[in-house]
Amino acid sequence: EAGVTQSPTHLIKTRGQQATLRCSPISGHTSVYWYQQALGLGLQFLLWYDEGEERNRGNFPPRFSGRQFPNYSSELNVNALELEDSALYLCASSLDRYTGELFFGEGSRLTVL
Amino acid sequence: QKEVEQDPGPLSVPEGAIVSLNCTYSNSAFQYFMWYRQYSRKGPELLMYTYSSGNKEDGRFTAQVDKSSKYISLFIRDSQPSDSATYLCKGGKLIFGQGTELSVKP
Repeated sequence: EAGVTQSPTHLIKTRGQQATLRCSPISGHTSVYWYQQALGLGLQFLLWYDEGEERNRGNFPPRFSGRQFPNYSSELNVNALELEDSALYLCASSLDRYTGELFFGEGSRLTVL
Repeated sequence: QKEVEQDPGPLSVPEGAIVSLNCTYSNSAFQYFMWYRQYSRKGPELLMYTYSSGNKEDGRFTAQVDKSSKYISLFIRDSQPSDSATYLCKGGKLIFGQGTELSVKP
């Protein structure tokens, strides 16, 4: 069974540009979660989508946004990139929306120059 | 105060040592607690899962939750170099601790 897949693996952008990251959950999983992992800061919760709806949002500015498609895949958009947005962005999926047992992808590393 | 606090380490131990990793949390509503392991350049993977208070054992790993003190622990017995990774605790659905970097030296 395929795990959570993310693309691209690496992305280099300059300040002010926009970045789009994509995630395909494990087959049958309906919840998708996005986390930011910056150096020394641990996993910071960004967004949670379930059944196409945004269910929860972390403490990030509105320029971080996303959506979930009918096939449950998801994309994360980051507008007006800033240097401190450089991080590993991890996507996870969950079959059970109640227990929070998350299965992670390998991440997309975003570098903002 | 963060909802889940974890000492980031790093923690270095000799092979065969017993390792104790700890987190505290502030949200009394948390019912589920998990430990994830993250190897370098990889995504985190679920290691242990506990519900409410009590212990859970899986091979060399034991997860412990004390809801009265809002304290969660992971013990690793007979630690191996392959256990070298970052260990992240999670309270409830969404909130992770900062992660503790563990190095087990041969």
